[in-house]
Amino acid sequence: EDQVTQSPEALRLQEGESSSLNCSYTVSGLRGLFWYRQDPGKGPEFLFTLYSAGEEKEKERLKATLTKKESFLHITAPKPEDSATYLCAVPSMDSNYQLIWGAGTKLIIKP
Amino acid sequence: SAVISQKPSRDICQRGTSLTIQCQVDSQVTMMFWYRQQPGQSLTLIATANQGSEATYESGFVIDKFPISRPNLTFSTLTVSNMSPEDSSIYLCSAGTSGNNEQFFGPGTRLTVL
Repeated sequence: EDQVTQSPEALRLQEGESSSLNCSYTVSGLRGLFWYRQDPGKGPEFLFTLYSAGEEKEKERLKATLTKKESFLHITAPKPEDSATYLCAVPSMDSNYQLIWGAGTKLIIKP
Repeated sequence: SAVISQKPSRDICQRGTSLTIQCQVDSQVTMMFWYRQQPGQSLTLIATANQGSEATYESGFVIDKFPISRPNLTFSTLTVSNMSPEDSSIYLCSAGTSGNNEQFFGPGTRLTVL
C-alpha cells in the first residue's frame, strides 16, 4: 500500500538553528515527490518537485533532497517567518492524479 | 503555476442547510480537485472534478452529499449538502495539469456548522 510518513510531527527551533524534516515513502515507481508549505488557515503553497534519487532543489533557506526511500527538507538558519506546517506528497500508483499526503511537520521558529 | 481563488473564504451555517463553494482558476487546467482538511490534520481528497462528466469520488464521499460541478476548464463548485456539525472543516480546491502531477491550491473555505 502506498504510504507517506513525515517526522517529526512537530519541531521547535531557535532562530538560526538549522535542521531537517523527513518524508519517507513506500510507493513503487515513484513519479515525483512534492513539498508544500501551509500557513494556518491557508491553502498549501507549492515549494518543490523532486523526481529522481540524488536530485536537489533550493529556495531561499530551504533545500529538498531525494533518495530512493525518503526525502529531506533542510532548513538553514531559519527565521520566525519560516514557521509553518510542511507537507510532502507522492502520486498514487492507483490513480493518475491522486496524491498520497503525509501528516505534515509543524515547524516553529522562536526568535 | 496557477492562481486559484475560492469563495466564500469562510461561512457559518445552520444544521440541515447547504453551502456551495466556488473555485476559479486563472488559466485553463486539466485537473481540479476538492479536499477536506480537519483542524490539525492532513488533506483528504473528496473528489476529482471532471470537465464535461460526473466527478470521481473517493471512498467515503458520495455525490448526494457533495455534488460537484465543473462547467469549463477554469471553474468548479462543491456543494456541502444537508450539513451537520461534523462537516465543519476547511475545504480546499486544487488544480493541476496532466503530465507532472503538481497541484496548486486555493486559499480554502473555512466552514463552521452550528
